[in-house]
Amino acid sequence: GQQLNQSPQSMFIQEGEDVSMNCTSSSIFNTWLWYKQDPGEGPVLLIALYKAGELTSNGRLTAQFGITRKDSFLNISASIPSDVGIYFCAGQRPLGDSSYKLIFGSGTRLLVRP
Amino acid sequence: KAGVTQTPRYLIKTRGQQVTLSCSPISGHRSVSWYQQTPGQGLQFLFEYFSETQRNKGNFPGRFSGRQFSNSRSEMNVSTLELGDSALYLCASSYHTGSTGELFFGEGSRLTVL
Repeated sequence: GQQLNQSPQSMFIQEGEDVSMNCTSSSIFNTWLWYKQDPGEGPVLLIALYKAGELTSNGRLTAQFGITRKDSFLNISASIPSDVGIYFCAGQRPLGDSSYKLIFGSGTRLLVRP
Repeated sequence: KAGVTQTPRYLIKTRGQQVTLSCSPISGHRSVSWYQQTPGQGLQFLFEYFSETQRNKGNFPGRFSGRQFSNSRSEMNVSTLELGDSALYLCASSYHTGSTGELFFGEGSRLTVL
């Protein structure tokens, strides 16, 4: 089935470092989204991207919708301990019958060393 | 406004039993989606309901079913439980039928099958 390849699987970084993660697919998506899941919680939407080439920031987070529409990246600048969690990318495309298909990547587990 | 509420938060069942999980979406949201989250498989889409109609279905066996009520609350049922059904079941709501991919997740119901 259709899959999103998200990398890296996990990262263990020092507080203050910048972080970069990305998702790629063999298929085109109309929307790319990035979610974060804290331990014991459900995922929370961080950034949504709707146009190829779009670059959007949310505080220290920046995400881009790849121009091929097959990839997206998320950068976190100056990481802090509360950035710990699992980051998921998600791609969405219409199915042609007014419904949509939303696929999640396998997640990037981020650990931040104080 | 109140978030997505899932009950119960934790439950333990034995193989062969059945389980019903409940989800109350954000007030005004008409779409409810269900996901299964396991360490090995990530977030897997189960089904989506909009205005009491199933709009989309993932690749799960018929033992997994759901429904949505007129007040948009949703339930999912798993019959004849198997060990592999142990997972975190997440419910997500959105105003439209998932057209933007912007989902609001609950905290999940963690099911353990013994």
